[in-house]
Amino acid sequence: GQQLNQSPQSMFIQEGEDVSMNCTSSSIFNTWLWYKQDPGEGPVLLIALYKAGELTSNGRLTAQFGITRKDSFLNISASIPSDVGIYFCAGQGQASGTYKYIFGTGTRLKVLA
Amino acid sequence: GAVVSQHPSWVICKSGTSVKIECRSLDFQATTMFWYRQFPKQSLMLMATSNEGSKATYEQGVEKDKFLINHASLTLSTLTVTSAHPEDSSFYICSARELAGKETQYFGPGTRLLVL
Repeated sequence: GQQLNQSPQSMFIQEGEDVSMNCTSSSIFNTWLWYKQDPGEGPVLLIALYKAGELTSNGRLTAQFGITRKDSFLNISASIPSDVGIYFCAGQGQASGTYKYIFGTGTRLKVLA
Repeated sequence: GAVVSQHPSWVICKSGTSVKIECRSLDFQATTMFWYRQFPKQSLMLMATSNEGSKATYEQGVEKDKFLINHASLTLSTLTVTSAHPEDSSFYICSARELAGKETQYFGPGTRLLVL
């Protein structure tokens, strides 16, 4: 199935550092969602974006819906050990079909204390 | 709010048996539920879209006779893996689209299936 390009694929960072990751597509999307998945569990919704240019925060997390509607960004400020996990973006639009989402390849984050 | 449960959380079965997985939206109504499959260290792959009261829509390459989906109510969808084989071993996750409110999906905790 189709997947979105997500980068970086993985990253090791020191506790307290800021983290940035992004998701890009060749198609335009109407909605972007960001999820975090811990091992052996289902993804948990972090942030939902519905409008081009929209910037939304959830605690230390901030996500943006790209102006071109083909990309989205997620930033984590002052990372802590519990931020460890896999982060997935998901886009919904004509390319994915009504109500369906295409998921990114994931960014695996590891935080060094 | 927006809690989705799955049962069982893990199951081990013999090759050739059928396994049923339940997905429930606990505090909201979901006309549409989705079933995903996830292999280790990979992303989620959509298997099918389940609509309440109608037949499920399967993604290309997913055998509908192998993976039977029933969406009998606004809060329950089931996935039955029929005549399971070792290659069906995987992590199966459902999600539910909330009827009211903004467009989003909430995921269940997943079901790990191991077929011996």
